[in-house]
Amino acid sequence: DAGITQSPRHKVTETGTPVTLRCHQTENHRYMYWYRQDPGHGLRLIHYSYGVKDTDKGEVSDGYSVSRSKTEDFLLTLESATSSQTSVYFCAISEGQGGDEKLFFGSGTQLSVL
Amino acid sequence: EDKVVQSPLSLVVHEGDTVTLNCSYEVTNFRSLLWYKQEKKAPTFLFMLTSSGIEKKSGRLSSILDKKELSSILNITATQTGDSAIYLCADLQGAQKLVFGQGTRLTINP
Repeated sequence: DAGITQSPRHKVTETGTPVTLRCHQTENHRYMYWYRQDPGHGLRLIHYSYGVKDTDKGEVSDGYSVSRSKTEDFLLTLESATSSQTSVYFCAISEGQGGDEKLFFGSGTQLSVL
Repeated sequence: EDKVVQSPLSLVVHEGDTVTLNCSYEVTNFRSLLWYKQEKKAPTFLFMLTSSGIEKKSGRLSSILDKKELSSILNITATQTGDSAIYLCADLQGAQKLVFGQGTRLTINP
């Protein structure tokens, strides 16, 4: 599992409430990613990080923010959850270099916004 | 904007059949194409393809890249019920980001 732990595994929340998902890795990887997966869309990148306090937006970043205050933790925050953010969220890390990079994924967080 | 398209979106076959899954890509600066298998939880890595015409194999699964046609195929021979999964194709971009296709949901019936 590339030493990736996501928490919580499942969460049900109400529209308008803030939600924070946590991704923890134990192998000192530089790059970390947050993806969401919805039927018919595959996985879409929300935000990613290339180091402590270094983050950038992905293709579906609206309504989400991230923080990375230490190498091992990458947090995804929904400031005010909406029903359209009901999804499965995957954290990933990148391994390899020099054209041999691959992403490995955590087990996912199922988020339901009611 | 880079784009990855997979076909078919869904496929149902009988155990023992051979299947071919397709992935086409439109990218501005190709680096590599990756295939993943997703069962109930996280996608798991299958293959990385960087050079055209070189086949990657692992048991009954194989994949090949055609840079001229901007496409890749994933073949599974002698399918088993355990091959039932979503198969994802993805393009590797800068900052090691992946752009995914929609996925192909493969169902193997006994």
